[in-house]
Amino acid sequence: QKEVEQDPGPLSVPEGAIVSLNCTYSNSAFQYFMWYRQYSRKGPELLMYTYSSGNKEDGRFTAQVDKSSKYISLFIRDSQPSDSATYLCAMSDNYGQNFVFGPGTRLSVLP
Amino acid sequence: DTEVTQTPKHLVMGMTNKKSLKCEQHMGHRAMYWYKQKAKKPPELMFVYSYEKLSINESVPSRFSPECPNSSLLNLHLHALQPEDSALYLCASSNRLGWFFGPGTRLTVL
Repeated sequence: QKEVEQDPGPLSVPEGAIVSLNCTYSNSAFQYFMWYRQYSRKGPELLMYTYSSGNKEDGRFTAQVDKSSKYISLFIRDSQPSDSATYLCAMSDNYGQNFVFGPGTRLSVLP
Repeated sequence: DTEVTQTPKHLVMGMTNKKSLKCEQHMGHRAMYWYKQKAKKPPELMFVYSYEKLSINESVPSRFSPECPNSSLLNLHLHALQPEDSALYLCASSNRLGWFFGPGTRLTVL
């Protein structure tokens, strides 16, 4: 079993849809959870950063962490064609330690 | 300023060349990283510098040589690379607010 699993997609949705992206993990020591957006041939851009369990909202993006289920989610409301990218979850156990990426989900938002 | 910068953006080199990739951040982060990313794959960790000292080397071949001249700069020296080393090389730095990545250097080895 991989340490972090993520549906690779590709995922195609119509403009305006609500998108749900998910990751599961096996290491219960993970405490910091991140979502990155990566456009083709660009570096990953940090979208959301949460510590431990709970929800965090930033504009159209909501991140959820359920440590009891070892499951994290990113919701994108009112999706736009500009949201088309690869979304990578990432997590770490302590500051600077054992930072792991998920394999990424390719999202296409169709106009 | 939450920016990590990398130069050059693109690099083409032959297998006998010596070149260097540069990374800079002015966020005061004391941890800096080099990652390698192949197409349609997540980034793979190569090196970690903590307080300007190499703390993690993920069994990277010696043809890749990292250097951290000061707390803001990170270099990756390249020598005698192979075509399979062609990839996007990403630099990152981190603090308690997250890991921040640069735009990457797209390296092609001929």
